[in-house]
Amino acid sequence: DVVLTQTPVSLLISLGGQASISCRSSQSLVHSNGNTYLHWYLQKPGQSPQLLIYQVSNRFSGIPDRFSGSGSGTDFTLKISRVEPEDLGVYYCLQRTHNPNTFGAGTKLELK
Amino acid sequence: QVQLKESGPVLVQASETLSLTCTVSGFSLTNYGVIWVRQPPGKGLEWMGIIWRNGNTDYNSALKSRLSINRDTSKSQVFLKMNSLQTDDTAIYYCTREIEDWGQGVMVTVSS
Repeated sequence: DVVLTQTPVSLLISLGGQASISCRSSQSLVHSNGNTYLHWYLQKPGQSPQLLIYQVSNRFSGIPDRFSGSGSGTDFTLKISRVEPEDLGVYYCLQRTHNPNTFGAGTKLELK
Repeated sequence: QVQLKESGPVLVQASETLSLTCTVSGFSLTNYGVIWVRQPPGKGLEWMGIIWRNGNTDYNSALKSRLSINRDTSKSQVFLKMNSLQTDDTAIYYCTREIEDWGQGVMVTVSS
């Protein structure tokens, strides 16, 4: 199965600061159809996860442009600029290129 | 409006079988896959399995021998069954529509 390694495990960021989260895959996430099915979620305390970014770099409906995704192949990054209080929680990457699909272990974003 | 709602017992005895239902509305199970994800208390997300829109299934390798996912399209319901439960199967169980929409989850405790 594909292993997704997320770093760091936790991030301490000041309000208004920038956060960067890495998700590295044990194998290429480029599908045979040419698409890359790497997605990013935020789980706020006590809530279900919510989709932020799909297919590496596409912001989901209603997600502010402070969130951006990039990367290719096996190496992906989520950046959050101008961090706001509602951005706090645990961020997960998910790959849906290979079956079974797999999640990263999560990165907890906290306020400094 | 897309909605998913998980239901089932909140307490199950070890060695028994867990049966959960995901009732969906706002979309057809023949147009979208439904995924089951679980989250042990204080831990990360685990992808369990998917029933695709054509009715095929894929499972987490570690759970494959104990897990089955089925559906009743006429009732807009997806079913999860997992046998030989252990205490480390205690978790919140979520169903999701592909990558976008999540249910609120149901907390299942396995008691020894």
